[in-house]
Amino acid sequence: QSALTQPPSASGSPGQSVTISCTGTSGDVGGYNSVSWYQQHPGKAPKLMIYDVNKRPSGVPDRFSGSKSGNTASLTVSGLQAEDEANYYCASYGGSNNVVFGGGTRLTVL
Amino acid sequence: QVQLVESGGGLVQPGGSLRLSCAASGFTFTDYYMSWVRQAPGKGLEWLSYISSSGSTISYADSVKGRFTISRDNAKNSLYLQMNSLRAEDTAVYYCATGERAIDYWGQGALVTVSS
Repeated sequence: QSALTQPPSASGSPGQSVTISCTGTSGDVGGYNSVSWYQQHPGKAPKLMIYDVNKRPSGVPDRFSGSKSGNTASLTVSGLQAEDEANYYCASYGGSNNVVFGGGTRLTVL
Repeated sequence: QVQLVESGGGLVQPGGSLRLSCAASGFTFTDYYMSWVRQAPGKGLEWLSYISSSGSTISYADSVKGRFTISRDNAKNSLYLQMNSLRAEDTAVYYCATGERAIDYWGQGALVTVSS
């Protein structure tokens, strides 16, 4: 149950796009279409932004999109806005009824 | 609207026990798998456990297997986490949440501090 690998930080200017990667193995990210992404503002509970690799829950702006290639999943935030500044975590089903999270990426809007 | 309210957190000595509760409302509790996720101070999220809607399927992370027990009472719309043999590294905010592979809704969390 090793954590998924995310870059510790990412940044972009308002209106730009930024992509955050999430690298696992064939036993988790690569083996299942069960990757999810969460947004967490400081002092707040996480919020589901993407599930099943590329599906958006109701109410999540379409500026947020997800994808996967091999053992790496990605979250892209287009048209960056100030309120997008937060920590982002990926997660994946890891087989054997386990779930594994990434270490988190701090997104800064410059 | 969906509400998940954790309770039972607090300060406990190493080796001690604590039981977290989560009161759920605003959705059909019996339709959902439920999970516990924790976050150590300044650290990332860590999945701990989930339980199926009927309670027949349960899974744990290796870090808590044998020490923590998840359970639910569908008649009371409640989720529980019994934590035994607590260690300093168990200090964290513990979140109750709906779902298992994708966690739809989260509570506000309960702080558990393990210290002498």
